[in-house]
Amino acid sequence: AQKVTQAQTEISVVEKEDVTLDCVYETRDTTYYLFWYKQPPSGELVFLIRRNSFDEQNEISGRYSWNFQKSTSSFNFTITASQVVDSAVYFCALSEASRGGGNKLTFGTGTQLKVEL
Amino acid sequence: DAGITQSPRYKITETGRQVTLMCHQTWSHSYMFWYRQDLGHGLRLIYYSAAADITDKGEVPDGYVVSRSKTENFPLTLESATRSQTSVYFCASSFGGATETQYFGPGTRLLVL
Repeated sequence: AQKVTQAQTEISVVEKEDVTLDCVYETRDTTYYLFWYKQPPSGELVFLIRRNSFDEQNEISGRYSWNFQKSTSSFNFTITASQVVDSAVYFCALSEASRGGGNKLTFGTGTQLKVEL
Repeated sequence: DAGITQSPRYKITETGRQVTLMCHQTWSHSYMFWYRQDLGHGLRLIYYSAAADITDKGEVPDGYVVSRSKTENFPLTLESATRSQTSVYFCASSFGGATETQYFGPGTRLLVL
């Protein structure tokens, strides 16, 4: 069964610090997809990134970067020079491509990031 | 308005009552999903639909009923609400199945007294 673990329940940083949110996953499939979503205090879920299991290149988008390592089954998310607007709950999610995946997107329990002045 | 909308945004009901949460999307996405969000559990899939008239159970389907007579609508019904169904409910849609990016509605906060 697929599983996503976000061991960090809550992280507090001071503005301009770099912060890394950890995501560890379990799957038996060789083909799968990983996602990150952001949930700001307003409550909506905002899509950040989708990555398939065959693409291990790191991705950078502005202050955001993602490090995908199949060897450790991790898909970590780093925010560089954090800002107060980054304060949110961040979810990592996994979907298996096989029929046995049942179209299920499995979410981690989320990491609450608080960025303070 | 374009996108995915949910109604109502907030709902208070009593145990035993039937409640229907509405979801509407304007992208013509084939797939639609219903999740519930509870502290300590993240989001869990209740039901999903691959197309009109095709629905299937997710991880936590008990106590819920769905239908999809039109591609753009995917209502979720709690036939006899229980306190354990107090939650935030999110609808999502995507072009394909769960391997494609899902886009979420704003959520419905449901309180069952």
